[in-house]
Amino acid sequence: EVQLVESGGGLVQPGGSLRLSCAASGFTFSRYAMSWVRQAPGKGLEWVSAITDNSGSTYYPDSVKGRFTISRDNSKNTLYLQMSSLRAEDTARYYCAKESDSSWTNWGQGTLVTVSS
Amino acid sequence: QSALTQPASMSGSPGQSITISCTGTSSDIGNYNLVSWYQQHPGKAPKLMIYEVTKRPSGVSNRFSGSKSGNTASLTISGLQAEDEADYYCCSYAGSRTWVFGGGTKLTVL
Repeated sequence: EVQLVESGGGLVQPGGSLRLSCAASGFTFSRYAMSWVRQAPGKGLEWVSAITDNSGSTYYPDSVKGRFTISRDNSKNTLYLQMSSLRAEDTARYYCAKESDSSWTNWGQGTLVTVSS
Repeated sequence: QSALTQPASMSGSPGQSITISCTGTSSDIGNYNLVSWYQQHPGKAPKLMIYEVTKRPSGVSNRFSGSKSGNTASLTISGLQAEDEADYYCCSYAGSRTWVFGGGTKLTVL
């Protein structure tokens, strides 16, 4: 059974940094591209980053480009999201998701990030 | 990267069929057959219901179907059931390994 378990969320001040982790199990992690998708409280979904299976390429929307960095460690079956220069509008639940056929077939339960002073 | 446009809310009675629309542009929906739909119940993670416009993942009821015409994609749910009450999000590939979501549709089963 595919499992994705996010961690690392919490309260951070504006301008601060945070690193999220996503532990994957139940599938061959190194064979799949992965993404982070976020959801602000009471709002819709927003894709925030993607990484290819071998970490060869990373992708971001303009809203987080230059502030967020996605990475992965295939030896540890773990996906990361390093977030810096955080803003109030980055407050959201962050989900990691396994990509297949240009869609996300499996999602974790998410980790909540709150940016507030 | 503008969000795709979905109706904010829709409702239907048990047994009825409803169709949720998702309108994009020629840069996303109109240019790629890579539209997916996600169902999200309150407090839960999203669940993939349709991918590549019309395909259903294993385990998803055949009451759910997808289609596309021009810059607009649609999700049809037939034989509405109480358990279908949820938020539904469309998503389209937008080129250069980027994706854009719709704003979501809250479906109420009366």
